Amino acid sequence: GEDVEQSLFLSVREGDSSVINCTYTDSSSTYLYWYKQEPGAGLQLLTYIFSNMDMKQDQRLTVLLNKKDKHLSLRIADTQTGDSAIYFCAESLYSSASKIIFGSGTRLSIRP
Amino acid sequence: KAGVTQTPRYLIKTRGQQVTLSCSPISGHRSVSWYQQTPGQGLQFLFEYFSETQRNKGNFPGRFSGRQFSNSRSEMNVSTLELGDSALYLCASSLEAGTNYGYTFGSGTRLTVV
Repeated sequence: GEDVEQSLFLSVREGDSSVINCTYTDSSSTYLYWYKQEPGAGLQLLTYIFSNMDMKQDQRLTVLLNKKDKHLSLRIADTQTGDSAIYFCAESLYSSASKIIFGSGTRLSIRP
Repeated sequence: KAGVTQTPRYLIKTRGQQVTLSCSPISGHRSVSWYQQTPGQGLQFLFEYFSETQRNKGNFPGRFSGRQFSNSRSEMNVSTLELGDSALYLCASSLEAGTNYGYTFGSGTRLTVV
């Protein structure tokens, strides 16, 4: 079935790296996404990776995809207070490309 | 350029009423999707429209409907509102149907049913 799972909370010290993990069940994923949601706001697309890629880097963000284990991670280097938000892992499928399946979100909090 | 615009931002309705939400996509985007976000169920796909046609639909009752106009603007309607319909409704637009280009989300309409 279609399911995306992620841990609910992560607390990181300012300046450290944050790693948010996600697992998905459907092996027919086409794209996998990371979205950010700040309080009172919509979803901001941070980055996405095509399912035949292993890694994607974009400035402070690094996405790693282990297709064998169906595991996706987002690493945020030098975490800042502005990175405090809920991060959603999501996937789209070959069978239904326009429908995005979201995880429950990981709330990232930054401590000084 | 302007982002995805959703109106109104907040809405309070009474159980049994009906409501219409509006979404204006980014200029040039022809695909519009709708999602419901609740604390209990998270983000759930409602439907997607492309070139005025519904291309995909999630698992929601028939009380939830939508449409898309020739200018790509979309409306979502919920009839006979229930308390459980209270949620943040998010609209997202993309250049084409499918997700090759990624979706840009609006800030949402927060609907409260009392």
